[in-house]
Amino acid sequence: AQRVTQPEKLLSVFKGAPVELKCNYSYSGSPELFWYVQYSRQRLQLLLRHISRESIKGFTADLNKGETSFHLKKPFAQEEDSAMYYCALKGSGNTPLVFGKGTRLSVIA
Amino acid sequence: EAGVVQSPRYKIIEKKQPVVFWCNPISGHNTLYWYLQNLGQGPELLIRYENEEAVDDSQLPKDRFSAERLKGVDSTLKIQPAELGDSAVYLCASSWGGGGTDTQYFGPGTRLTVL
Repeated sequence: AQRVTQPEKLLSVFKGAPVELKCNYSYSGSPELFWYVQYSRQRLQLLLRHISRESIKGFTADLNKGETSFHLKKPFAQEEDSAMYYCALKGSGNTPLVFGKGTRLSVIA
Repeated sequence: EAGVVQSPRYKIIEKKQPVVFWCNPISGHNTLYWYLQNLGQGPELLIRYENEEAVDDSQLPKDRFSAERLKGVDSTLKIQPAELGDSAVYLCASSWGGGGTDTQYFGPGTRLTVL
């Protein structure tokens, strides 16, 4: 079974501080991992996916198969990063995208 | 481009009443998804369509929920009769291809309150 765990419901950091949003997964095969973000009063949108290996808005995430993790990181948080972040996993074949419960990031000025 | 359009945005009904949600996906997107999002949870897939065909409805409670995607474009999700536990946000998403790996574009959601 596929499962995504985001251990923190809320993460508060000061502006300019580093950010790490944790995501752990459970899947026996080779997964595709995603981070989705929802800013206040906006719709859920894709932030990044591990196969792209790109940095979006200064965020990066590396898939660590040994630790079954896909943590989202940014070296210097900005106030506009305050949002709800969801980690999601897609298994092989006709399996659905499975979301974690989300972490609310609050960047304090 | 308006993105995925959903209506209504909010709906309040009494239990045992029916309710219908409507979704218009991004033009050209073949795959359409309906998700349920309970408070404090991530979205959970209810049903996925590829064109007119429901290719994954394993999580759809078929005793009270039904969905249609006529002509492979717009879709409706119906609950009849609604129960108190159905209060949640219902999200529609679409993507160019199927399989769930293509980027999914989400609508604003419909917030349902069942009294």
